[in-house]
Amino acid sequence: DVKVTQSSRYLVKRTGEKVFLECVQDMDHENMFWYRQDPGLGLRLIYFSYDVKMKEKGDIPEGYSVSREKKERFSLILESASTNQTSMYLCASSTGFSNQPQHFGDGTRLSIL
Amino acid sequence: GEDVEQSLFLSVREGDSSVINCTYTDSSSTYLYWYKQEPGAGLQLLTYIFSNMDMKQDQRLTVLLNKKDKHLSLRIADTQTGDSAIYFCAEKDLDTGRRALTFGSGTRLQVQP
Repeated sequence: DVKVTQSSRYLVKRTGEKVFLECVQDMDHENMFWYRQDPGLGLRLIYFSYDVKMKEKGDIPEGYSVSREKKERFSLILESASTNQTSMYLCASSTGFSNQPQHFGDGTRLSIL
Repeated sequence: GEDVEQSLFLSVREGDSSVINCTYTDSSSTYLYWYKQEPGAGLQLLTYIFSNMDMKQDQRLTVLLNKKDKHLSLRIADTQTGDSAIYFCAEKDLDTGRRALTFGSGTRLQVQP
């Protein structure tokens, strides 16, 4: 089974802090994704990566950056956290084949005070 | 642009069938997914279908695809209290080359004993 592990289930940070969310997958997947989930809005794509050091902006990249130094690890960075970034953050991974689904981690519920 | 729409809420009695509906954008080549999210957890892949199929069945789950109306449904037979969750419909449009999924806002299924 594919395992996608997010480092924290719950995180509380203060406005202006630099925040790191970590995600690791164990299936040698090429693609990795960061989404945020808000009530009534479903999941929205922040960034994704299709290879080491390669990244592309998603639908809502403002206020975020990402890092992929190793194939198994994809980090989401909030450069200067703001209260409107309080949300559930979900990481996913998939192979490079178009017919394969994405597999998700358990999510990180982030609160910015 | 891509748009996936779902109704927000469905309530059924234990033992009845549940039908969760979704509409998606027009594409000749797309994968359509159903994910389940239990409280406090990530997304669990339930099943998926390619746009050249009309139906897929997997134990209690039946997926029906009406390409003419761009309508996808998930039927859960003999619904149990453990089926209470949020169900997300998602689309991967191969024609656009977009690697990420586009999600609906999710349907909350409540199963009453």
